[in-house]
Amino acid sequence: SQTIHQWPATLVQPVGSPLSLECTVEGTSNPNLYWYRQAAGRGLQLLFYSVGIGQISSEVPQNLSASRPQDRQFILSSKKLLLSDSGFYLCAWSVSTSGTEAFFGQGTRLTVV
Amino acid sequence: AQSVSQHNHHVILSEAASLELGCNYSYGGTVNLFWYVQYPGQHLQLLLKYFSGDPLVKGIKGFEAEFIKSKFSFNLRKPSVQWSDTAEYFCAVKPGGSYIPTFGRGTSLIVHP
Repeated sequence: SQTIHQWPATLVQPVGSPLSLECTVEGTSNPNLYWYRQAAGRGLQLLFYSVGIGQISSEVPQNLSASRPQDRQFILSSKKLLLSDSGFYLCAWSVSTSGTEAFFGQGTRLTVV
Repeated sequence: AQSVSQHNHHVILSEAASLELGCNYSYGGTVNLFWYVQYPGQHLQLLLKYFSGDPLVKGIKGFEAEFIKSKFSFNLRKPSVQWSDTAEYFCAVKPGGSYIPTFGRGTSLIVHP
C-alpha cells in the first residue's frame, strides 16, 4: 500500500535561517506531489505542485521554493525564513491520472522566531 | 480559477443533533468533489468523494453528501453527530482533467457530549 512520510513534525527556526522540509511517498510511481500551507480559518493554500521529476509549478509567489530531485521525493525550501513563513505545511500526493483524490502527510508545524 | 466557499466556519452541536455543512464552488465544467476531515492532532483524511453517477454519495462514519449541479453545491450531512465527530471539515473541488484540488476555508465542528 502507499504511504507518505513528511518530516520533521515540528520545527522552530530563527528568522533568516534556511529551511528544508522533506516529503517522500512509497508504494507508487510517478505520483503528483503537492505542498500546501494550512492557516487557521484560511483553509489550505496550494504552494507548489509537481507532475514529474524536475517539474515544479508555483501557485503563490513567496519566499519559498520546491524541488523534486527524485520521483517520489518533494522538498520545500527557503534560503532565508521570514516570520510570516510560520505555519502548518502539508505534503500530499495523488495518482498521476487526474480523477483521483489527494492523500496527505502528517504535516510540519513551522515556527519562525 | 475555481473557488470553494464553506459558509459555516464554526459549528457547535450537541450529540444526536443533525449536521449539514455547506459547500459551494464556482466552476462551470465537470468537477470532482471531496470532503476531507481532520481530527484533532491527526492528518487530513478523505471522508467521501464524488466523481460521477449517483449524486448522493455515502462516506465513512455515517456521513453523506449530495451533489446538486444546478446549485454548484456539495453539502455534507450526518443525521446524528457524535462527540467523536469533533474535527475540522474541508470541502475540495477539482475540475475534470485537472491535477489540482482547491480547498475551502474549512469548518470547525465541535460536538458537545
